[in-house]
Amino acid sequence: NAGVTQTPKFRVLKTGQSMTLLCAQDMNHEYMYWYRQDPGMGLRLIHYSVGEGTTAKGEVPDGYNVSRLKKQNFLLGLESAAPSQTSVYFCASSTIAGGPDTQYFGPGTRLTVL
Amino acid sequence: EDQVTQSPEALRLQEGESSSLNCSYTVSGLRGLFWYRQDPGKGPEFLFTLYSAGEEKEKERLKATLTKKESFLHITAPKPEDSATYLCAVHPPGTYKYIFGTGTRLKVLA
Repeated sequence: NAGVTQTPKFRVLKTGQSMTLLCAQDMNHEYMYWYRQDPGMGLRLIHYSVGEGTTAKGEVPDGYNVSRLKKQNFLLGLESAAPSQTSVYFCASSTIAGGPDTQYFGPGTRLTVL
Repeated sequence: EDQVTQSPEALRLQEGESSSLNCSYTVSGLRGLFWYRQDPGKGPEFLFTLYSAGEEKEKERLKATLTKKESFLHITAPKPEDSATYLCAVHPPGTYKYIFGTGTRLKVLA
């Protein structure tokens, strides 16, 4: 199993440009999450999904949109990038089946907005 | 407000010098407490899940313990390859959200 994968690994954008980050998991997990990680701030939840076709806002959702059209994929979109969105983005997935709802993380996408 | 605080922020140890990292939490109930290891440029790697006070989990040189207000990650006889940032997170009941601490940066010197 590949676990959780993210593409791309690195990206540089200019202010106002748009992009989509792709997260894929092959563990058949129901829940998927998008976080951003900034120095001294810890991991902050952007959006999450509890199942195919459903999404919900997290702690810092402004400026981002998400979609979960397939159970194994969770997309994070930036419609008009701003320098404040320079960060490292992590996707995670988890399942409630069997008891432990441990989150498993992808390798991250490092985004710079100029 | 639900909160997770990790201490110390950074820790330098000599190889073989045992120590403990602390994760204190303030949540209205606890569904689970999680420890992760994160290497530079990588995603968090799952280490342990603890569910109830008194529970302990071990993996190689690491041992995690849980009380009603805090968790400890004990590192016994650490090696340089244990150098990483260690993250703690809690999962309050009735929510899909996880609350992360800012981590402890551990450096083990040979």
